This record gives sequence, C-alpha cells and structure tokens, in this order.
Amino acid sequence: KAGVTQTPRYLIKTRGQQVTLSCSPISGHRSVSWYQQTPGQGLQFLFEYFSETQRNKGNFPGRFSGRQFSNSRSEMNVSTLELGDSALYLCASSLRPGTGSLSTGELFFGEGSRLTVL
Amino acid sequence: TQLLEQSPQFLSIQEGENLTVYCNSSSVFSSLQWYRQEPGEGPVLLVTVVTGGEVKKLKRLTFQFGDARKDSSLHITAAQPGDTGLYLCAGAGGSGNTGKLIFGQGTTLQVKP
Repeated sequence: KAGVTQTPRYLIKTRGQQVTLSCSPISGHRSVSWYQQTPGQGLQFLFEYFSETQRNKGNFPGRFSGRQFSNSRSEMNVSTLELGDSALYLCASSLRPGTGSLSTGELFFGEGSRLTVL
Repeated sequence: TQLLEQSPQFLSIQEGENLTVYCNSSSVFSSLQWYRQEPGEGPVLLVTVVTGGEVKKLKRLTFQFGDARKDSSLHITAAQPGDTGLYLCAGAGGSGNTGKLIFGQGTTLQVKP
C-alpha cells in the first residue's frame, strides 16, 4: 500500500511569509503526527490529530497550527516565518492515536518537507 | 520535561567493526522504539521494546531495554556500509507524556568500506 505522502518536498520562503504543508497518511490510518527535525534540536513533536481533533500539542508557538480533514489528510501551517523555522517537517501516521502506555504502535513517517527560510 | 540522551552523537567506523549506541533517560518509559533514518527519507521503525530487561535481535542488530525501563542500547555486530544512517531512539508512555514520542538527538553512524 502507498506510504505517507508529504507535499511539497522542498520549499523556500522568506521571513514573514507563511507556509502550508500537506500530509496524506497511509490508507486506513486515522492518526497523524507532525515533527520538526533540525540538526541542533533533533525531532521535536509539534502536534497530533485523530479524527479531525488535535489530541496533543508540543511546545511550539501559536504560529504553528494544523488541522485534519475527514479523509484523515492533514495540513500544518506556519505563519510569520522566522529564520529558525528552517527545518525538515515530518509527518507520521499510525493506526491508533497517541503513543501512550498501552500503545506501542509503529509510526510510519513520510519523507518530509524541507523548508528553508531566507 | 522528559529527555532522552543518545551517545555517541557521531560514530565513524570501518566495515566489520562492532558498535554500541546508548539511549539514556532519568524517566521511565512504557516502551522504547529505535528508528533508522537515511538521508532524504523519514525514519523507519527498527524495533519496539516493552519489557524491562528485554533483548531483541534483528539480524546483526541487538536491542536491549534496561531493567528499570529508563535506558536502552543498540549493538551492531560486524557493521556494513549499508548500516550507515541516523539512529534514533524514542520513548513512549512516560509519566505525564501519554500522547507523544520523545526522540533522542540521534546517532549518526558512518561505516566505511
């Protein structure tokens, strides 16, 4: 079956602009998580959606937002871009939500959207 | 805030050598996962360990979960160039953290032919 698809793969923006990234999960997966990956900070959790509801949110400013549609596809938006927002943004889907104490479900990651802010 | 510390951060070895990557935390996790990420791709799950003291083997890779479920290790025997990549540990289900994976900083492994 098709994997997690993220678009666009690469994009360049300037400070102050906004960006929207898209993620299509594996068919049947209803949970989508977003992560920011940078060389200095590693993978940082942004948020997770399940059935169109945000279940968890990481420690990022309000400029970072997301949503999930009824077909489980998800988008994340970053407004008023800053240089420090340059990163690889990874989307991951899973069958069930969360990775809590009862869940050892695998996360399936997309190839990421590499954002460069100039 | 829960943290996972991986060591070493970088490792460059010759083909055929053995290596161990460590993942340590002061927090207890319900489970710990190891991922491998190659350039231009997303991380791919290698293994999940759940029980304290658990050891899992995946061909030349051996994963161990500490008895107290606070640490884990990945040992690679007779490394090959195809093992090159970024290795990430990720903890799940820790105290007050039931909804997300906490990732370590990663270990970049380079295996030279």
